[in-house]
Amino acid sequence: NAGVMQNPRHLVRRRGQEARLRCSPMKGHSHVYWYRQLPEEGLKFMVYLQKENIIDESGMPKERFSAEFPKEGPSILRIQQVVRGDSAAYFCASSPGSDYGYTFGSGTRLTVV
Amino acid sequence: AQSVSQHNHHVILSEAASLELGCNYSYGGTVNLFWYVQYPGQHLQLLLKYFSGDPLVKGIKGFEAEFIKSKFSFNLRKPSVQWSDTAEYFCAVNGGGNDMRFGAGTRLTVKP
Repeated sequence: NAGVMQNPRHLVRRRGQEARLRCSPMKGHSHVYWYRQLPEEGLKFMVYLQKENIIDESGMPKERFSAEFPKEGPSILRIQQVVRGDSAAYFCASSPGSDYGYTFGSGTRLTVV
Repeated sequence: AQSVSQHNHHVILSEAASLELGCNYSYGGTVNLFWYVQYPGQHLQLLLKYFSGDPLVKGIKGFEAEFIKSKFSFNLRKPSVQWSDTAEYFCAVNGGGNDMRFGAGTRLTVKP
């Protein structure tokens, strides 16, 4: 039973490029959450999605960031026109419902050069 | 909006010392509470969780946490730490809403 799969593990982008981060939830989990972890700042909630729906995006920056969780395929976190400040570890988690604990993926470490 | 506060940013202990990491939350309703651990270079793993029932919760690796509703607290404890407990520890709260909120984390360093 594979856990939460995130890819790529490491992603390097030049300023102005686009970054696409993928997350496949655990089998049977229909709730996906994205978090950003900056050094010394802990985990910051970004967005909560269920299949084809964004439930809560209160933690997403208003510009350049978007997320989706299509009916088929992984959830995608997309960052357009990346800047150095976007460099961070991005973690995806999934759960079978909103009242359960989460299972985390190994994260994608984005470096913007 | 719910929020989580972890009092200690960095804790340094010697092996066999006792550990207590503080966690307070603000939320008016029923909450689910969690402690996660992140070992260096790894993803978060669940240590223990509280949904209801006995407020003293036992987790993996000898950790436990006590939910004190009147103090809005869920402190993590371990009677005797080991070098392998060196990690970052995150308290998290799910207020029955849509997402889980995490504290800023406490980095634990255990000296051999």
